[in-house]
Amino acid sequence: DAGITQSPRYKITETGRQVTLMCHQTWSHSYMFWYRQDLGHGLRLIYYSAAADITDKGEVPDGYVVSRSKTENFPLTLESATRSQTSVYFCASRRGLAGGQETQYFGPGTRLLVL
Amino acid sequence: KNEVEQSPQNLTAQEGEFITINCSYSVGISALHWLQQHPGGGIVSLFMLSSGKKKHGRLIATINIQEKHSSLHITASHPRDSAVYICAVSPYSGGGADGLTFGKGTHLIIQP
Repeated sequence: DAGITQSPRYKITETGRQVTLMCHQTWSHSYMFWYRQDLGHGLRLIYYSAAADITDKGEVPDGYVVSRSKTENFPLTLESATRSQTSVYFCASRRGLAGGQETQYFGPGTRLLVL
Repeated sequence: KNEVEQSPQNLTAQEGEFITINCSYSVGISALHWLQQHPGGGIVSLFMLSSGKKKHGRLIATINIQEKHSSLHITASHPRDSAVYICAVSPYSGGGADGLTFGKGTHLIIQP
């Protein structure tokens, strides 16, 4: 039972390059989320998706693009990486029951360094 | 936007002590979550609650909806409890928004 996985786990890139972080879950959860974690700010929501082909912005979406063509995958793309996007990125999912009172399950995180 | 405040930010205690971490939020929610993160590690959900009290082993979580306040208690603390504890809230469903809003975390160290 793989659960929710992220790849790569570590990534170093340069400013201006495009980077895609992958997230895959095996539970067929409807909702998926991308968060970033930074010292001094804690965790913040970047984008979320309620179902395949349905995505919406979170608190800090600028500079990021998401897609969700399949329920199990939710890739996050940095179109032109900047140093301010150096962070730890967590993907999460939840089943999608009505009312939203559900546990969220987090992936192991991707540490991204933009030089 | 919901503001989530945690206290204390840092806490060092001796093994066996009773630990309390507090969380307050500014806007009504559908649920409150307590999460645990070990250094360099992933994030694990400890509790999700919308009312009352929940207990799991030595951990107890309470919430007071009227006061917009929650507490996480650890009884008979142990060095393996050393971690960052994060409070997070879920918005009301149907409000056009989703995802968790997080406090900045409480860094707990339990010394043997």
